[in-house]
Amino acid sequence: DAGVTQSPTHLIKTRGQHVTLRCSPISGHKSVSWYQQVLGQGPQFIFQYYEKEERGRGNFPDRFSARQFPNYSSELNVNALLLGDSALYLCASSLGPGTDTQYFGPGTRLTVL
Amino acid sequence: EDQVTQSPEALRLQEGESSSLNCSYTVSGLRGLFWYRQDPGKGPEFLFTLYSAGEEKEKERLKATLTKKESFLHITAPKPEDSATYLCAAGGATNKLIFGTGTLLAVQP
Repeated sequence: DAGVTQSPTHLIKTRGQHVTLRCSPISGHKSVSWYQQVLGQGPQFIFQYYEKEERGRGNFPDRFSARQFPNYSSELNVNALLLGDSALYLCASSLGPGTDTQYFGPGTRLTVL
Repeated sequence: EDQVTQSPEALRLQEGESSSLNCSYTVSGLRGLFWYRQDPGKGPEFLFTLYSAGEEKEKERLKATLTKKESFLHITAPKPEDSATYLCAAGGATNKLIFGTGTLLAVQP
C-alpha cells in the first residue's frame, strides 16, 4: 500500500520567493497535517485540514497558508521566504481530525539562501 | 502551556544492553501519546499509540508504557539497526501533536 507521498523531495529558494509543497495522503485518510522540523528539534505543528476545512493552526505567521483538495491531497504555501524557513516540511495523514494516529511522509527539504 | 520533554537527549548503548527512554508531558486533556522513530533526513515512522494510563504496547524489541505524567519506551537487547532518533508526541484538546525534541539512540556492535 502506498504511504504518504510528498513532492518535491528537495527545494532550494532564495529569500523573498514563494514556495508550494504538495502532499498526497494514504488512501482512505481524510485528514492532512503539516509540520516544520528544524534540524535537531521535534516537528512543530503548522496546520491540520479535514474534509477541506482548516481544523487547527499552529503558531506560524500569515506567510504560511494551506489548502486541501476534494481528493484529500494538500498544498502548503509559504510566501516571502526567510532564511529561518529552511527546514524539513512534513506532511502527515490520518483517518480523521484531532489526534487520530498520524502517519508521516518522507518530507520536503527546503533550503532558503 | 502544553509541553513534552524527552530524556536523555542522547544515549549510547552496546548491542544487547537494555535501557529506557523517558517522555514527560504536560498536556490538557490527553487524547493520545505517540512514539515515532526517525532516521536521518527521513519522515517519522509510527511505532505506538497509547491512550490511557496503565496501557502497554509491544513490538519486537520495543515496549511502550504510559502513566498519567510520563511514558517510557523500553528497548530490550537492542541491535545496531535500532539506532535512530525516537520522538514522543502528545495529542491534547487541540487538533495537533506536540513533539519532544527526541532521544538520539546509538547502538554499537
